Amino acid sequence: DAGVTQSPTHLIKTRGQQVTLRCSPKSGHDTVSWYQQALGQGPQFIFQYYEEEERQRGNFPDRFSGHQFPNYSSELNVNALLLGDSALYLCASSLNEGHAFFGQGTRLTVV
Amino acid sequence: AQSVTQPDIHITVSEGASLELRCNYSYGATPYLFWYVQSPGQGLQLLLKYFSGDTLVQGIKGFEAEFKRSQSSFNLRKPSVHWSDAAEYFCAVARKGKLTFGQGTILTVHP
Repeated sequence: DAGVTQSPTHLIKTRGQQVTLRCSPKSGHDTVSWYQQALGQGPQFIFQYYEEEERQRGNFPDRFSGHQFPNYSSELNVNALLLGDSALYLCASSLNEGHAFFGQGTRLTVV
Repeated sequence: AQSVTQPDIHITVSEGASLELRCNYSYGATPYLFWYVQSPGQGLQLLLKYFSGDTLVQGIKGFEAEFKRSQSSFNLRKPSVHWSDAAEYFCAVARKGKLTFGQGTILTVHP
């Protein structure tokens, strides 16, 4: 079992650009949540997807959007990148609202 | 809204000494509580969780935590710390699958 896998592991983008991050959930899981972890902070909940619908959303602007595919994998899209979007983005999968397993994260740097 | 407070930003202990990391939560109902550990640049690994029942919870790597409803606390303990325990530790509370994390406590272990 590969667990939760995220890609890419690192990337660098320029202010104003758009970025897409990807997540494959742990086998058997149907729910994907995304978190943003700024340096020195705890992870902050962005949103959660279940049955291809956004089920919950945290306090993030509309520049942050997502998608869940029929195979339960998910994408996080961020438009009009700001310097403040630089962070570790963590994907977590679960079976509905059960215990969450986390991926290794994608380190995004905006310059 | 739920919240989590970890009062200690940084703790230093000697190898072999005991450890207690503090966590206080705010939540309107019976909380689902978690402790996660994160090594630098890595994802989060679950140490232990409390859903209901016995208030003393055993986890991996010799960690345990005690849920005290009267104090709104869920402190993490380990009787004898190993150098490999050096990492950042996060306490979290869950509601409908959404995790709210504390700011984290960085643990340094001296030989």
